[in-house]
Amino acid sequence: AQSVTQPDIHITVSEGASLELRCNYSYGATPYLFWYVQSPGQGLQLLLKYFSGDTLVQGIKGFEAEFKRSQSSFNLRKPSVHWSDAAEYFCAVGFMEYGNKLVFGAGTILRVKS
Amino acid sequence: SAVISQKPSRDICQRGTSLTIQCQVDSQVTMMFWYRQQPGQSLTLIATANQGSEATYESGFVIDKFPISRPNLTFSTLTVSNMSPEDSSIYLCSGAGNYEQYFGPGTRLTVT
Repeated sequence: AQSVTQPDIHITVSEGASLELRCNYSYGATPYLFWYVQSPGQGLQLLLKYFSGDTLVQGIKGFEAEFKRSQSSFNLRKPSVHWSDAAEYFCAVGFMEYGNKLVFGAGTILRVKS
Repeated sequence: SAVISQKPSRDICQRGTSLTIQCQVDSQVTMMFWYRQQPGQSLTLIATANQGSEATYESGFVIDKFPISRPNLTFSTLTVSNMSPEDSSIYLCSGAGNYEQYFGPGTRLTVT
């Protein structure tokens, strides 16, 4: 069965430090991969996506992610974190043969300390 | 991208009652979905809302509990029926097109 693993439930980084959030998936074919961010009391905002092509994708708010097929990973990175990045981040995998359905990871809560 | 609105944004309901949540998309999307996000949890897909036909439910979700309608390409409703405190969650709708999926702000439901 398809699954998405975000091994880190909470991560705390200092403002200005770099960030990497991990995401691994289990799926037989090449999936469509997404990162969403959810601020407290807010809906989900799409940060970036990977469908095909260049395995390093750029997103909004200075985020990027790299697809590594050999590791079944799609880790999210940001070189310098801002206090406003504190939120919960969800990795999701899309299965287009099942009609664009998304399976979400458990989420990683990012705390930024000043 | 699509802009998705939901009504109501939040509600407090008594057990045994039902609540209907509305979802409106500002442009035509090929697919619409309903998700549930229980407190402190990730999102779980409830069903795919199919235009003009019965929704397709995921394992663990049934039509009698979560009836869904989608009369046209830009509008869908989810009803949470015969509510219990375990139904207290955020319910989100989404619209998908061109392999991208956009989410509404969610409806925060508390059942007392």
